[in-house]
Amino acid sequence: AQTVTQSQPEMSVQEAETVTLSCTYDTSENNYYLFWYKQPPSRQMILVIRQEAYKQQNATENRFSVNFQKAAKSFSLKISDSQLGDTAMYFCAFMKGGGATNKLIFGTGTLLAVQP
Amino acid sequence: DAGVTQSPTHLIKTRGQHVTLRCSPISGHKSVSWYQQVLGQGPQFIFQYYEKEERGRGNFPDRFSARQFPNYSSELNVNALLLGDSALYLCASSPTGMGNQPQHFGDGTRLSIL
Repeated sequence: AQTVTQSQPEMSVQEAETVTLSCTYDTSENNYYLFWYKQPPSRQMILVIRQEAYKQQNATENRFSVNFQKAAKSFSLKISDSQLGDTAMYFCAFMKGGGATNKLIFGTGTLLAVQP
Repeated sequence: DAGVTQSPTHLIKTRGQHVTLRCSPISGHKSVSWYQQVLGQGPQFIFQYYEKEERGRGNFPDRFSARQFPNYSSELNVNALLLGDSALYLCASSPTGMGNQPQHFGDGTRLSIL
């Protein structure tokens, strides 16, 4: 069975600074996807960034980038130039590839507070 | 285009009652998944439907059931409600339900059991 672990329940960062959120996962699969989702107080889960396991290059989306270490089963999220609107709960998630289902397995989340 | 819409936004029930939650996917999306998010935890997968067929089921009791309609909208039904069923229920849609397509989530239904 796959598991996703986020060891930082809460983090705080000053506006304009950089912060890194940690995520580790456990799987015996070779074909899978990893995601970071953001959930602001409005409740809607928003996709931040996605990484295919077979791609060695780390995914980047504007101020968001990941450090994907496949051998270590680590998938951290770096937020550069933090903005007040980045304040939210961040979830790391795993999806097995190649199957007929797109079931996501989520971690317990990291609450990020961006301070002015 | 409208995103994933869920109704109602908030619901209060008592133990033993049943509840029906509704989800309309993004236009053109044929796969709908349901997740339960208990306060302070990450979402847990309940069901996935594609083309009206169940594609996946999470570790939830038989009190939980779902279905998908010809227009690809979906209902989640929960019978004999327990206090532990209090949670945010999220619906997500994707074009075909395969892993190479991102899922789009709705705002959720907050279910409170008294």
